Amino acid sequence: AQTVTQSQPEMSVQEAETVTLSCTYDTSESNYYLFWYKQPPSRQMILVIRQEAYKQQNATENRFSVNFQKAAKSFSLKISDSQLGDTAMYFCAFMKPQGGSEKLVFGKGTKLTVNP
Amino acid sequence: DVKVTQSSRYLVKRTGEKVFLECVQDMDHENMFWYRQDPGLGLRLIYFSYDVKMKEKGDIPEGYSVSREKKERFSLILESASTNQTSMYLCASRSWVGSYEQYFGPGTRLTVT
Repeated sequence: AQTVTQSQPEMSVQEAETVTLSCTYDTSESNYYLFWYKQPPSRQMILVIRQEAYKQQNATENRFSVNFQKAAKSFSLKISDSQLGDTAMYFCAFMKPQGGSEKLVFGKGTKLTVNP
Repeated sequence: DVKVTQSSRYLVKRTGEKVFLECVQDMDHENMFWYRQDPGLGLRLIYFSYDVKMKEKGDIPEGYSVSREKKERFSLILESASTNQTSMYLCASRSWVGSYEQYFGPGTRLTVT
């Protein structure tokens, strides 16, 4: 079974600085997807960024980028120019394609606080 | 925009009561999911459904059941609520095609006393 580990339960960063959230996973699959989801306080969880394992290029979405190291099974999220609105729980998730019945396996989350 | 709604934002029930949590999505998604979120444990999958009347157990199905009679609606049922089922419950939906992105509802914070 796949597992996802987020080793930093809580982190904080100053506004405008850069922060990196760690995620490692364990799988024997070669084809899979990785995700970072964001859950702001009292708000709905939303997708931040997605990475296909077969793509060597790291995904980026504006200020959010990932460092995907397939051999090391590492998938870290970098947030540049942190903003107060980035304060949230961040969850790393793994998924393997299964013909329509795919499930996400989540890490336990990292609580990020952006300080003014 | 995809919209996933849940019937209640907050719910307080007594031990032994039968509890229904409802989730509705408006994007004709085939897959729907129920998760439980607890501090320090992340999100754990209770049940999911990949089509009408189809369901599969997730990682923690004990004490729960589900119903999906219509494509847009997925209900989570606590047959006899217990205090250890006090938690945040999140519903999500996803299309079979596309980006594999799951769209989440706002959550129901259930307290069982």
